[in-house]
Amino acid sequence: AQKVTQAQTEISVVEKEDVTLDCVYETRDTTYYLFWYKQPPSGELVFLIRRNSFDEQNEISGRYSWNFQKSTSSFNFTITASQVVDSAVYFCALSTSGGSNYKLTFGKGTLLTVNP
Amino acid sequence: NAGVTQTPKFRILKIGQSMTLQCTQDMNHNYMYWYRQDPGMGLKLIYYSVGAGITDKGEVPNGYNVSRSTTEDFPLRLELAAPSQTSVYFCASSYRQGTETQYFGPGTRLLVL
Repeated sequence: AQKVTQAQTEISVVEKEDVTLDCVYETRDTTYYLFWYKQPPSGELVFLIRRNSFDEQNEISGRYSWNFQKSTSSFNFTITASQVVDSAVYFCALSTSGGSNYKLTFGKGTLLTVNP
Repeated sequence: NAGVTQTPKFRILKIGQSMTLQCTQDMNHNYMYWYRQDPGMGLKLIYYSVGAGITDKGEVPNGYNVSRSTTEDFPLRLELAAPSQTSVYFCASSYRQGTETQYFGPGTRLLVL
């Protein structure tokens, strides 16, 4: 069975602080893909990143960075120098190439509030 | 490209009424999905389709039906609406199987009273 856990329900920071959103996943498949989506207050789901299980290189995109560690089954997301516009719910998700390859399993999300 | 579009944006239904949520994508994606999002619960897959004429159940299909007559359209039908179906519904599409990135529509907020 696939499972994604985002233990942080809500995080509140002050602008310009760095913040890390945690994501822990469970799967028995050796080939899988991890995703992060952002859901701003307007409600749409915005794709941020997709990473496959064979690529453990960390990735940086502007103020965003992702740390993938297979040893701890984690795919954490860090926002550097947070801004008010980063306020949103962030979802981590998992998909595998096994029998349920149609399925994207979501965590419950972390609500990030960045205060001015 | 408009991407994935959904109509309506918001709807109020009375218990027992029926309605169809529309979803269209213009990215020529083969796979399409319907999810529901309840507060604090993430997204749950209702139905999905791997191509025109082929649909299958997801995690929470009860009370819903789908059809896929074209590559572009994937409507979700609610029969006999119940308060438990109050939710935000998202349609998504991907080029191939679920390991590909899924792109989401803007969502439909449904309130059943």
